Amino acid sequence: DAGVIQSPRHEVTEMGQEVTLRCKPISGHNSLFWYRQTMMRGLELLIYFNNNVPIDDSGMPEDRFSAKMPNASFSTLKIQPSEPRDSAVYFCASSPVGASGGSNQPQHFGDGTRLSIL
Amino acid sequence: SQQGEEDPQALSIQEGENATMNCSYKTSINNLQWYRQNSGRGLVHLILIRSNEREKHSGRLRVTLDTSKKSSSLLITASRAADTASYFCATDASNAGGTSYGKLTFGQGTILTVHP
Repeated sequence: DAGVIQSPRHEVTEMGQEVTLRCKPISGHNSLFWYRQTMMRGLELLIYFNNNVPIDDSGMPEDRFSAKMPNASFSTLKIQPSEPRDSAVYFCASSPVGASGGSNQPQHFGDGTRLSIL
Repeated sequence: SQQGEEDPQALSIQEGENATMNCSYKTSINNLQWYRQNSGRGLVHLILIRSNEREKHSGRLRVTLDTSKKSSSLLITASRAADTASYFCATDASNAGGTSYGKLTFGQGTILTVHP
């Protein structure tokens, strides 16, 4: 079975440019999570969706960050304009969640996008 | 502060030895999970233990949970060089509405190095 697919795997761009990261969750998983991982701050939850609806975006660092989930099989995380401090590895993960919102299921992670802002 | 905090931050052992990592957390949980991350890869789920369970096994892995102390431990027996990775605990805690939607809070991780 295909796992969570993220693209691109690596992105190098100059400060001020728009960056779009993409994620395809596992089919049938109805919760999707975006994380950022750095040496200094560890793994941070940025935003998560359930049934394509954003549930909590309190982890989004600034208005420069936005995320969408237009359908059950696709999500994007956009940074505009990008800054050098946004350099990190960005992970997408998905999991199945019951109708009541409860879950005793693991999250499945993609291999991440390594983002470098020069 | 982190919901899950691992101890030690780094652990270096010889192949064949056992490795024990600990995790402490602060709030009530639905379950606690352990993940492994190899260099340059995403996190991989290892084991999930529910709040009403005290111990769980999976192959060479043994996880314990003490909800009264809000702590968990991961034991890897007969370690191998391939076990070299970062290990994270993560907690699933319901919000005030009683739902979590699968949201997890991760600790900072333990870096395990197993020398051949």
